[in-house]
Amino acid sequence: QKEVEQDPGPLSVPEGAIVSLNCTYSNSAFQYFMWYRQYSRKGPELLMYTYSSGNKEDGRFTAQVDKSSKYISLFIRDSQPSDSATYLCAMSGLGSSNTGKLIFGQGTTLQVKP
Amino acid sequence: DTAVSQTPKYLVTQMGNDKSIKCEQNLGHDTMYWYKQDSKKFLKIMFSYNNKELIINETVPNRFSPKSPDKAHLNLHINSLELGDSAVYFCASSHPEETQYFGPGTRLLVL
Repeated sequence: QKEVEQDPGPLSVPEGAIVSLNCTYSNSAFQYFMWYRQYSRKGPELLMYTYSSGNKEDGRFTAQVDKSSKYISLFIRDSQPSDSATYLCAMSGLGSSNTGKLIFGQGTTLQVKP
Repeated sequence: DTAVSQTPKYLVTQMGNDKSIKCEQNLGHDTMYWYKQDSKKFLKIMFSYNNKELIINETVPNRFSPKSPDKAHLNLHINSLELGDSAVYFCASSHPEETQYFGPGTRLLVL
């Protein structure tokens, strides 16, 4: 079993829909949680960064972390065709042995249709 | 200005050859990384350097050797290339335990 599980999709939604992307994880030591967006043939770019549990909002994007359930989510409101990309969750723990070591989910491919 | 750059963008080579990929960052970060992304888009860390010192070395064949001549550069040399090495290789950089910024990737195809 992978440390981080993410449904690869693809997920297809109409423009304007609310999109929900999720990851589950097994390592309770994870403290930092990130969402990266990767357009086709490009490098991942950071979308959201959360420490520990709670919600964080940035424009149309909301990240949620539920450490008790080992579950993180990314919500996209009013989705646009330009949101079509692969969304990767990533997480890491504290301590020197985990410094900088991001564990990624497989990524969910999202297509927003006009 | 490109924050994290990699060369080359594309690399097509024969099995058994030796090749290098270069990475440079102009963000002033102390830590640099190499990741491998397979055909299913699964992104996995290979190495991490902090101030030119190796700090993460995942289970990677010793045909892969990273080299950090200075804080701003981290190169990846691959000996005796195999078909299974075909993937996209990403360089990234960060301050310690802060968010990582990725380069555009190098697409390696081994024939």
